[in-house]
Amino acid sequence: NAGVTQTPKFQVLKTGQSMTLQCAQDMNHEYMSWYRQDPGMGLRLIHYSVGAGITDQGEVPNGYNVSRSTTEDFPLRLLSAAPSQTSVYFCASSRRQGEITDTQYFGPGTRLTVL
Amino acid sequence: GIQVEQSPPDLILQEGANSTLRCNFSDSVNNLQWFHQNPWGQLINLFYIPSGTKQNGRLSATTVATERYSLLYISSSQTTDSGVYFCAVEEWAAGNKLTFGGGTRVLVKP
Repeated sequence: NAGVTQTPKFQVLKTGQSMTLQCAQDMNHEYMSWYRQDPGMGLRLIHYSVGAGITDQGEVPNGYNVSRSTTEDFPLRLLSAAPSQTSVYFCASSRRQGEITDTQYFGPGTRLTVL
Repeated sequence: GIQVEQSPPDLILQEGANSTLRCNFSDSVNNLQWFHQNPWGQLINLFYIPSGTKQNGRLSATTVATERYSLLYISSSQTTDSGVYFCAVEEWAAGNKLTFGGGTRVLVKP
């Protein structure tokens, strides 16, 4: 299986533009999440989902929307891009046993630059 | 939230050398993982190890949950081991968020 896939690998946007970062997993994982990685800030959780139809906010959700219409897909939408959203974005997925996740697997990342 | 500290922050090794990376965490955890971020930026999962010892080839890890630390051992290092090693613990009450340590940057010289 392909694991966790993300598209695109690289993207350049102008301030105010919108776009969707795609994430898909083929492991039938209940739990999916989005992180951003910034120098000196580490990885921070943006949004997460514990199953189809259920999403919730992480620690840095402003400026981003998510939806989870299927188990496999978890797209991240930037509504109106700002230079502060320049970052590397990672999607992750995991089985969930009760309230605890198993191994969390990360996608290859999307490097986003907002001019 | 849980605090995660890694040491050392930087490590330079000669190819073939062994090393130990340490991760300390401030509270009890149900999920601890070690990752390798390679020079291309990919986060590769190495171990899921909330307690006990695991081995995978030249890498092994031990977590002593009661003392709140985990160790990652690299034996017979190779240049492909270069990159940043992260320890991460799960905060299940915060959306199963993984809280990452600051990482150990490893450079293996030929």
